[in-house]
Amino acid sequence: NAGVTQTPKFQVLKTGQSMTLQCAQDMNHEYMSWYRQDPGMGLRLIHYSVGAGITDQGEVPNGYNVSRSTTEDFPLRLLSAAPSQTSVYFCASRMDRGNQPQHFGDGTRLSIL
Amino acid sequence: EDKVVQSPLSLVVHEGDTVTLNCSYEVTNFRSLLWYKQEKKAPTFLFMLTSSGIEKKSGRLSSILDKKELFSILNITATQTGDSAVYLCAVEASKGGSEKLVFGKGTKLTVNP
Repeated sequence: NAGVTQTPKFQVLKTGQSMTLQCAQDMNHEYMSWYRQDPGMGLRLIHYSVGAGITDQGEVPNGYNVSRSTTEDFPLRLLSAAPSQTSVYFCASRMDRGNQPQHFGDGTRLSIL
Repeated sequence: EDKVVQSPLSLVVHEGDTVTLNCSYEVTNFRSLLWYKQEKKAPTFLFMLTSSGIEKKSGRLSSILDKKELFSILNITATQTGDSAVYLCAVEASKGGSEKLVFGKGTKLTVNP
């Protein structure tokens, strides 16, 4: 099992560009989520999904879109990148039954110039 | 608004010392409290606590939850340089039929030889 796989690991964008951060898991987890981590701010929830076809907003959803067409994949789209979106992005997943911890990918470090 | 507060934010100790990291929370519909260790990349899961007064233990690490006073502690005995990391506390809360993780800002532990 690869666990939670995020690509790319690093990316530099110009303001106004769009891009998609990929997240895939091979553990058949129903619940998937995206967080951003900024210095001194901890991890903040952007969007999450409890299963294919179902997504919902977290704490800081503005400027980001998600979709969940399959159980395995949960891409995060930046529609028009802004410098304030410079951050480290983490994808996580867990089973949606019982008390189960979320498992995290290695992150994508994104810089917006 | 759901809130998780960790203290101290930073801690420097010598190898062999014992440390206690604190996490207090205010959330509606508490489900569980989790501790993660973050070195350079992904947060890695340490403990999940759901019941008061039951200590979870893994080697030199242990943790306990007090749901009446709304806090948890993470103890590390006989610290080693490999324990140097950011320790994250997160609380899982139910909201609108879904569960979300709310993170504290973390405690940065540095263990000097």
